[in-house]
Amino acid sequence: TAGITQAPTSQILAAGRSMTLRCTQDMRHNAMYWYRQDLGLGLRLIHYSNTAGTTGKGEVPDGYSVSRANTDDFPLTLASAVPSQTSVYFCASSDSASGADTQYFGPGTRLTVL
Amino acid sequence: GDSVTQMEGPVTLSEEAFLTINCTYTATGYPSLFWYVQYPGEGLQLLLKATKADDKGSNKGFEATYRKETTSFHLEKGSVQVSDSAVYFCALRDGAQKLVFGQGTRLTINP
Repeated sequence: TAGITQAPTSQILAAGRSMTLRCTQDMRHNAMYWYRQDLGLGLRLIHYSNTAGTTGKGEVPDGYSVSRANTDDFPLTLASAVPSQTSVYFCASSDSASGADTQYFGPGTRLTVL
Repeated sequence: GDSVTQMEGPVTLSEEAFLTINCTYTATGYPSLFWYVQYPGEGLQLLLKATKADDKGSNKGFEATYRKETTSFHLEKGSVQVSDSAVYFCALRDGAQKLVFGQGTRLTINP
């Protein structure tokens, strides 16, 4: 079972350019999440989706957008990247509809904005 | 809002030493509590969890007890191995069903 896949693994991006980070899960989980991980700050929630067709803002949503057209995919878009968005990005999913509270994480995307 | 505070790292121990990583939380209500582990180059994996006061979560020799009176969920292991070297995150699930993470503690075990 693949679980959660993310692409690309890493990327160097020029400031001002746009980019979409991809996330796909094959567990049919209803809820999906995007986090960024920065040294000394742990993981901070960017956006989330409780079910296909709905999204919500997390702790640090500015400069990011998401969509949830179907259950499996939850792409994260940076419309105009800035150096402060240099980070490691993790996608996660959970089967919250069943009451389960465990989140499963992808391997991450390391993004450098120059 | 809800928050999690972890013992600052990095922590370096010798193999077979006793490990404690402290975690305290601030929350309204009684959140579920978690420890996640991140091995080098990988995403986070659930290590253990506890959903109510006095519950003990355990896995791979690690344990943590949900202490409501001290709002703590300290991670312990009696005898660590080199393979336990990783970053450990304490987290709670808040009232909106979202995970709130501590800043992480990097653990290095030397042979």
